[in-house]
Amino acid sequence: QQQVKQSPQSLIVQKGGISIINCAYENTAFDYFPWYQQFPGKGPALLIAIRPDVSEKKEGRFTISFNKSAKQFSLHIMDSQPGDSATYFCAAFIIQGAQKLVFGQGTRLTINP
Amino acid sequence: GAVVSQHPSRVICKSGTSVKIECRSLDFQATTMFWYRQFPKQSLMLMATSNEGSKATYEQGVEKDKFLINHASLTLSTLTVTSAHPEDSSFYICSAIGDRGTGYGYTFGSGTRLTVV
Repeated sequence: QQQVKQSPQSLIVQKGGISIINCAYENTAFDYFPWYQQFPGKGPALLIAIRPDVSEKKEGRFTISFNKSAKQFSLHIMDSQPGDSATYFCAAFIIQGAQKLVFGQGTRLTINP
Repeated sequence: GAVVSQHPSRVICKSGTSVKIECRSLDFQATTMFWYRQFPKQSLMLMATSNEGSKATYEQGVEKDKFLINHASLTLSTLTVTSAHPEDSSFYICSAIGDRGTGYGYTFGSGTRLTVV
């Protein structure tokens, strides 16, 4: 019940295209859903995050769509660029709980020029 | 924004020796710090959670005597890999959450690549 399932495992998108990564969770107590971007040899960096009372959040080319009833959320990267090539992790945690992040399995995104 | 500094970024050590990794929150007080281990092409695996001034809480299967964690102040946590062996070679990452609650979310360090030879 603590798992966050992420798909696809890897994704190749042409430059300028839309990259879509999906995540699903079971624990309805989760109330904060961040996405992280990780480049090789570096720690994850927060990209964008959403609370379950919001269905969509957009920051620049990055958008999170959140479906509370389906317990699913997704990251959309518009106008994908080669510099977006990285591994992306969705995550979830309980704000007032132990605050342990539960990570998805990760998606390795490659943007072809 | 919140910054977490992790040092060293890379370390090579001989089998049987100990290695210390530092994690510092530079511009905020970290009420809780977390230590992760990441294998190639895999997700982050939480090893332990540490709160300032108290003993770390280790995840199931993590040897507390091998991975010593000290959270001596609100800005510093250290992970010491004792009697390191080649199977301890991995990418170790710390993160911190501050006293401002979820407005920060988690902030991660840049990671430490440990190679035991």
